[in-house]
Amino acid sequence: EDKVVQSPLSLVVHEGDTVTLNCSYEVTNFRSLLWYKQEKKAPTFLFMLTSSGIEKKSGRLSSILDKKELFSILNITATQTGDSAIYLCAAPTDSWGKLQFGAGTQVVVTP
Amino acid sequence: NAGVMQNPRHLVRRRGQEARLRCSPMKGHSHVYWYRQLPEEGLKFMVYLQKENIIDESGMPKERFSAEFPKEGPSILRIQQVVRGDSAAYFCASSPAGDQPQHFGDGTRLSIL
Repeated sequence: EDKVVQSPLSLVVHEGDTVTLNCSYEVTNFRSLLWYKQEKKAPTFLFMLTSSGIEKKSGRLSSILDKKELFSILNITATQTGDSAIYLCAAPTDSWGKLQFGAGTQVVVTP
Repeated sequence: NAGVMQNPRHLVRRRGQEARLRCSPMKGHSHVYWYRQLPEEGLKFMVYLQKENIIDESGMPKERFSAEFPKEGPSILRIQQVVRGDSAAYFCASSPAGDQPQHFGDGTRLSIL
């Protein structure tokens, strides 16, 4: 059975800290791994990773995939209160794109 | 450049009634997915559709739930004879192809009295 596991489930940091979120996966026909940010509404797409070792970066957020060890990390540097959200990791389990989600990591950034 | 549009945002139904949830995908997207998020749980796949075709409904309960994506108009997720356990947030996502990122709507929060 395909599965995606995120850790930690939640964390609280102070503004300016760096956070690292983990996502491990077991997917039979692995194609890609995606990160989303969910505040009160829609999950917002952050990154899609397909190749091992190539970092994707967007502002203070970055992510990398390790296909040998079957995990990905999402880093947020110089955190701001606006980074408070649930961060979701997901992997498609078939060629149609059906996503298997992790339970998410709730990040709280305090002023 | 409108994103994925879902309506209604909130829906309240009494047990035994029907719930209809609508989703208009992003322009140019022909792949539509429905996911359910139960309280304190992650997003779970329900069904995947293309125009006039259900491709994969493996995540959808066999009874009371149905989905369609007609040639014209939005995709509809229909829940008949709702029960308290159907209370959840239902999200729709769309993509231009199966190997492209899915973009999500704001969801419909369904509450059953």
